Amino acid sequence: DAMVIQNPRYQVTQFGKPVTLSCSQTLNHNVMYWYQQKSSQAPKLLFHYYDKDFNNEADTPDNFQSRRPNTSFCFLDIRSPGLGDAAMYLCATSRGGQGQETQYFGPGTRLLVL
Amino acid sequence: RKEVEQDPGPFNVPEGATVAFNCTYSNSASQSFFWYRQDCRKEPKLLMSVYSSGNEDGRFTAQLNRASQYISLLIRDSKLSDSATYLCVVNPSYPGAGGTSYGKLTFGQGTILTVHP
Repeated sequence: DAMVIQNPRYQVTQFGKPVTLSCSQTLNHNVMYWYQQKSSQAPKLLFHYYDKDFNNEADTPDNFQSRRPNTSFCFLDIRSPGLGDAAMYLCATSRGGQGQETQYFGPGTRLLVL
Repeated sequence: RKEVEQDPGPFNVPEGATVAFNCTYSNSASQSFFWYRQDCRKEPKLLMSVYSSGNEDGRFTAQLNRASQYISLLIRDSKLSDSATYLCVVNPSYPGAGGTSYGKLTFGQGTILTVHP
């Protein structure tokens, strides 16, 4: 039973062409996260939502935006993808609250920028 | 200094071997600790949480030393299927909306394990 779902699994876009990645969850978790992971590197947190409260990491480029229209869905928008944005994008969720920090990851979307 | 440091390996071990991974973290206020496993081109998956008293799950044993800010993972009787990248993950916990707390995970760069026949 899929709990954190990401679509599409693979996305090819052109340099500068906006792209949106989708994440949905069936866990009813309060917190949703977006990570960028490049080859042989650790996942890098871009931003997260606690409910509707958006939290951007200080070093996340302005080119990356996010929306969370409801508890279940969260989107990552890349306004003008560059070649350096090619990576795996991982969505994760956690319940939030004391002792509820475990994060559950979706399968990721692999982005290729041509 | 990186927030979470791991020996990247790679570790190449034969089936049946015992292998240990170490990890250090810099934030002494960190509250929760985990080991995640990541297979090639897949998402990280929780292997086990790490508790102060140490915990064991089958062939896997995790230890935490808060005084030394050190976490370890021991894998006994290695299987071919254990081949993966093992990520040491630390959660410093931050106050969230409404006074609740939630955490941002800080990942180590991962230790690559290859188990061969």
